[in-house]
Amino acid sequence: DTAVSQTPKYLVTQMGNDKSIKCEQNLGHDTMYWYKQDSKKFLKIMFSYNNKELIINETVPNRFSPKSPDKAHLNLHINSLELGDSAVYFCASSHSFADEQFFGPGTRLTVL
Amino acid sequence: AQRVTQPEKLLSVFKGAPVELKCNYSYSGSPELFWYVQYSRQRLQLLLRHISRESIKGFTADLNKGETSFHLKKPFAQEEDSAMYYCALRRWNTDKLIFGTGTRLQVFP
Repeated sequence: DTAVSQTPKYLVTQMGNDKSIKCEQNLGHDTMYWYKQDSKKFLKIMFSYNNKELIINETVPNRFSPKSPDKAHLNLHINSLELGDSAVYFCASSHSFADEQFFGPGTRLTVL
Repeated sequence: AQRVTQPEKLLSVFKGAPVELKCNYSYSGSPELFWYVQYSRQRLQLLLRHISRESIKGFTADLNKGETSFHLKKPFAQEEDSAMYYCALRRWNTDKLIFGTGTRLQVFP
């Protein structure tokens, strides 16, 4: 009965590949987010979606494309992976845009 | 622009010692301030928020608008408090959380 889940937990891939990270929440929340945590543990928002609509897009390269097929899912697709994309990516959700955010366990992406 | 500063990357104390994790912010409006915690191998979770004015796991934090600070305090640290702590700011009535760079708290036995 995990509230916010992400798959995969670990992802190791070569430069130039395209990969996706999936996020699902079973809390009935309307808003979902993607955050990136770099090697120095700095956590920064990338995107937020409210009811499947993009609300925040924080100067993220357009190689990153979020996709929300429904309110419970927000997937992150990354094209042409670069070394600098190596990080832990966290998904989160909240009931509405100003409520407490619940985080997923994170996906550690390593680009070789 | 809004910014959250946590000046200490690492804070090491012995069990039973008082702890204060510093957080300063810059924002001209009415902010909401939060402390999030990430224990080893666990997900990030909300520890406390300034509007609730409650104590969680012995931790308290008071918003000081004059000093633009929201320091996290605990009078007697426990080993299980060892974790990464993030201070975060949200502009009133928005969903964008701005995180500080985090402080790793190590509590030695």
